[in-house]
Amino acid sequence: RKEVEQDPGPFNVPEGATVAFNCTYSNSASQSFFWYRQDCRKEPKLLMSVYSSGNEDGRFTAQLNRASQYISLLIRDSKLSDSATYLCVVRSGYALNFGKGTSLLVTP
Amino acid sequence: DAGVIQSPRHEVTEMGQEVTLRCKPISGHNSLFWYRQTMMRGLELLIYFNNNVPIDDSGMPEDRFSAKMPNASFSTLKIQPSEPRDSAVYFCASSPGTWGETQYFGPGTRLLVL
Repeated sequence: RKEVEQDPGPFNVPEGATVAFNCTYSNSASQSFFWYRQDCRKEPKLLMSVYSSGNEDGRFTAQLNRASQYISLLIRDSKLSDSATYLCVVRSGYALNFGKGTSLLVTP
Repeated sequence: DAGVIQSPRHEVTEMGQEVTLRCKPISGHNSLFWYRQTMMRGLELLIYFNNNVPIDDSGMPEDRFSAKMPNASFSTLKIQPSEPRDSAVYFCASSPGTWGETQYFGPGTRLLVL
């Protein structure tokens, strides 16, 4: 079983929509949590860290539920430029464990 | 500020040939990671260096793969001999800390082994 599981999608949403992604992780001792974004044929880039108290960065809100080992990302007012693959990432020790990503396509 | 630099960006080779991928981490970063990304398996950690020393190479698929970091500004990943199943995108990432909190990825090398 992979350590980080995500729904691969694709999620096709119209501009302006709200979309939510979820992921689950298996290692209860994991220490840090992130969402990375990867554009087509590009490298992954850090989108935001995820904290237990929940955190927001503009249109993006991330939540962590340690008890359920569940992480979420909410994107409000979707833009065309949000089209990408969103990778759920969990750190255990020095290693980052990446989910396989959820693909988002925002359409006009 | 230059990010992580990788070369070549694309490599097409024939089965059995030696392939060498190169990485220059961000100056001042003391952790370096090599990853491989495929559609089937996603991003997989191959090897982790801290202060130029290999700490964990458990992700290296087999003896055909080797990695070195002779100094703080350069690392190589070598595949010898290459096989078609090695076709993937290989990313190098660096991090300022020991624990890889925030990793900065290079643009990747797209490898195709025919």
